[in-house]
Amino acid sequence: DIQLTQSPSFLSASVGDRVTITCRASQGISSYLAWYQQKPGKAPKLLIYAASTLQSGVPSRFSGSGSGTEFTLTISSLQREDFASYYCQQFNSNPFTFGQGTRLEIK
Amino acid sequence: QVQLVQSGAEVKKPAASVKVSCKASGYTFTSYHMHWVRQAPGQGLEWMGIINPSGGNTNYAQKFQGRVTMTGDTSTSTFYMELSSLTSEDTAVYYCARIEVTGRKGLNYWGQGTLVTVSS
Repeated sequence: DIQLTQSPSFLSASVGDRVTITCRASQGISSYLAWYQQKPGKAPKLLIYAASTLQSGVPSRFSGSGSGTEFTLTISSLQREDFASYYCQQFNSNPFTFGQGTRLEIK
Repeated sequence: QVQLVQSGAEVKKPAASVKVSCKASGYTFTSYHMHWVRQAPGQGLEWMGIINPSGGNTNYAQKFQGRVTMTGDTSTSTFYMELSSLTSEDTAVYYCARIEVTGRKGLNYWGQGTLVTVSS
């Protein structure tokens, strides 16, 4: 199985900050990576697929990059509504594993 | 519009089984695979498996092999996920989810989640 390791697991930041979350795969997954945002009590929301393609309706302050084994999600200028948990998921091969998550909190 | 509506919360005793449903609407039922994902309280997302509703082929995460069964009923456009031999570690919210369109590999449509509580 492909393991995805996110870092950091916890991030404290302020409104307006630029933040980056990293997702590393235990083996190459080409660009078959998605990023999700999840708020408490809600289903995850797809932000990015194919490593860098922004899902329709997602603000442009979100961006993704990477291929192979290392990927990043960047939020260019944090807004209050961005404080949530973030997960990566690989679609290269079954099982389609998730990273362990990154919790983004207000400083 | 695409909708995935799941069944209500369940409380089960250890060793019992649970069957969660996910009724799909707004699209052709057999056109998209359905994924199942769970999330234990305060924990991350865990991918459980996938079913192709056209033919019923399934692929389960090894962790759940032998305990999970995913099915689809084309007559009612409903997917089911049954998990047996429940323990307290199976207490979680269970989601069904699918991609938006073929080729866009990301789960864009999600059910509202079904809380399954395992307690004696």
